[in-house]
Amino acid sequence: ETGVTQSPTHLIKTRGQQVTLRCSSQSGHNTVSWYQQALGQGPQFIFQYYREEENGRGNFPPRFSGLQFPNYSSELNVNALELDDSALYLCASSFPVGTEAFFGQGTRLTVV
Amino acid sequence: ELKVEQNPLFLSMQEGKNYTIYCNYSTTSDRLYWYRQDPGKSLESLFVLLSNGAVKQEGRLMASLDTKARLSTLHITAAVHDLSATYFCAVDRVFTGNQFYFGTGTSLTVIP
Repeated sequence: ETGVTQSPTHLIKTRGQQVTLRCSSQSGHNTVSWYQQALGQGPQFIFQYYREEENGRGNFPPRFSGLQFPNYSSELNVNALELDDSALYLCASSFPVGTEAFFGQGTRLTVV
Repeated sequence: ELKVEQNPLFLSMQEGKNYTIYCNYSTTSDRLYWYRQDPGKSLESLFVLLSNGAVKQEGRLMASLDTKARLSTLHITAAVHDLSATYFCAVDRVFTGNQFYFGTGTSLTVIP
């Protein structure tokens, strides 16, 4: 158990819809990052939040957006879902920088 | 663009044998991370290597880092079936902590 929890664990959405995924960070961790892992591939960095501000972004379009709350929990929002958005979405919390990050169990999103 | 490459992509080995997984990366980074992923599961942290020449060992796994060669290795000694999983290396850029760029992964199968 890493202390990082994600919800829901599985989700099926229709193309064009919007989705919100949630992550509860490990206690005391003020940095959360989100990753997309397509089947058979390594995780791809989406973005990172530090103290409620976006602190870096990977090569993902603006329809991927996020929030971090004062209790350091976080959301990932994806608008206008596409079939290629089907993947395992992982959040990771860490503190301080340069130490290991702890990953949640992931949300499996299927877009049909 | 930061690239992280692992080889081999697939590895099938007999119990009791030794083998090494290689991780090459394309940018300056002093931090290298190894993770394990079981099928359908999240990522489990194995090692954090924070400086040139760092070597860490845990059980049958040993990881090392050569920042000048931009190379990390994960050595498996006397493999057992329980080590069957996918192994990922990841780096983060200098000054942007914990924004990981993952390798392609090495799928390891240990055969009795």
